[in-house]
Amino acid sequence: EADIYQTPRYLVIGTGKKITLECSQTMGHDKMYWYQQDPGMELHLIHYSYGVNSTEKGDLSSESTVSRIRTEHFPLTLESARPSHTSQYLCASRGQPAEAFFGQGTRLTVV
Amino acid sequence: QKEVEQDPGPLSVPEGAIVSLNCTYSNSAFQYFMWYRQYSRKGPELLMYTYSSGNKEDGRFTAQVDKSSKYISLFIRDSQPSDSATYLCAMIIPGYSTLTFGKGTMLLVSP
Repeated sequence: EADIYQTPRYLVIGTGKKITLECSQTMGHDKMYWYQQDPGMELHLIHYSYGVNSTEKGDLSSESTVSRIRTEHFPLTLESARPSHTSQYLCASRGQPAEAFFGQGTRLTVV
Repeated sequence: QKEVEQDPGPLSVPEGAIVSLNCTYSNSAFQYFMWYRQYSRKGPELLMYTYSSGNKEDGRFTAQVDKSSKYISLFIRDSQPSDSATYLCAMIIPGYSTLTFGKGTMLLVSP
């Protein structure tokens, strides 16, 4: 079983609030990812990281930001949540050479 | 044309049937191939990971890669209602950080 954890699992928050979604892995993986997925839809990459202090934007434009200060931790922050941010956010990490594991996701609802 | 094509389904089969799920891809640089199972409102779970052409078996699951045809398959034997989920294929080019996913095929196994 993959050792990658996301908190919270569910979050309902008001418009304009700042939120941070947490993602941690204990596998020592350098590469980590954030995906956004609406119900029944495909995964969209919003951010990824090669390692500590390296982050890149993904294919889907996002108003969120990420940081990678420690190998095991890759939080995603929304400075001002909007209803359009309502979605499921999935974190993943990837070992060598290629196996990638996902967390259980955070289901975000902005009201 | 997308890099990875996957029929969205749904694919409906009776319990006990052999299921075949497929993806085609256009970029011959893909070398690593993965299959994920995703239950509704959960994170994707890694089922199979393969590198070379040929077959890889794990219990009721067999992953098949045909690089000459740019075609990968996942076979599920003796399908169970608990196999009802969306199945995603994913591919990686060596040296690249990101994964390329298919859109997923929804499988429904009826008792």
